[in-house]
Amino acid sequence: SQTIHQWPATLVQPVGSPLSLECTVEGTSNPNLYWYRQAAGRGLQLLFYSVGIGQISSEVPQNLSASRPQDRQFILSSKKLLLSDSGFYLCAWSPQDRGAAEAFFGQGTRLTVV
Amino acid sequence: GQNIDQPTEMTATEGAIVQINCTYQTSGFNGLFWYQQHAGEAPTFLSYNVLDGLEEKGRFSSFLSRSKGYSYLLLKELQMKDSASYLCAVTDSNYQLIWGAGTKLIIKP
Repeated sequence: SQTIHQWPATLVQPVGSPLSLECTVEGTSNPNLYWYRQAAGRGLQLLFYSVGIGQISSEVPQNLSASRPQDRQFILSSKKLLLSDSGFYLCAWSPQDRGAAEAFFGQGTRLTVV
Repeated sequence: GQNIDQPTEMTATEGAIVQINCTYQTSGFNGLFWYQQHAGEAPTFLSYNVLDGLEEKGRFSSFLSRSKGYSYLLLKELQMKDSASYLCAVTDSNYQLIWGAGTKLIIKP
């Protein structure tokens, strides 16, 4: 069966510090991968999605970046965090061979920038 | 632009029935999803509709009308554990998921 791992679960970082959140998927090949952010009481905002290694699409201009160094690894990064980067970050995957497929989510990372 | 609307918050009584509505305007349509999200946790899949009509799964049912751009999630025999946010999401013509802001459902004893 397929599983998705995302870490860490919680993170407190000072303004201006770097960020690296990692997500890995097991049990499937060539998945679509996504990074979402959810502000308190708000819906999911798509940040990045990837259909393959090295292929990253950005939905929202910001000081975050994403990379996919391996087929089932997706990394969210920032060189310098802002206070506005605080939120709940979710990694998700969906099968690529099914056009309209449900997304499966990792446990999420609660990021607080102080 | 693409837009999904659902009520911000609803309150219902344990054992009752509640209907959460979702209307959407998207560039194309390839399916509608309902997810449940408990506070501080990731969303979990509830249902998927791509054709008009009602899909029933235990205590939960989801309805779709593509011509009206409308869906609802029906929860029967409400339990306290059903207190959560319910997210409506639509897959557009590019197979990208467009998310609503979610409806916070509060269940009272």
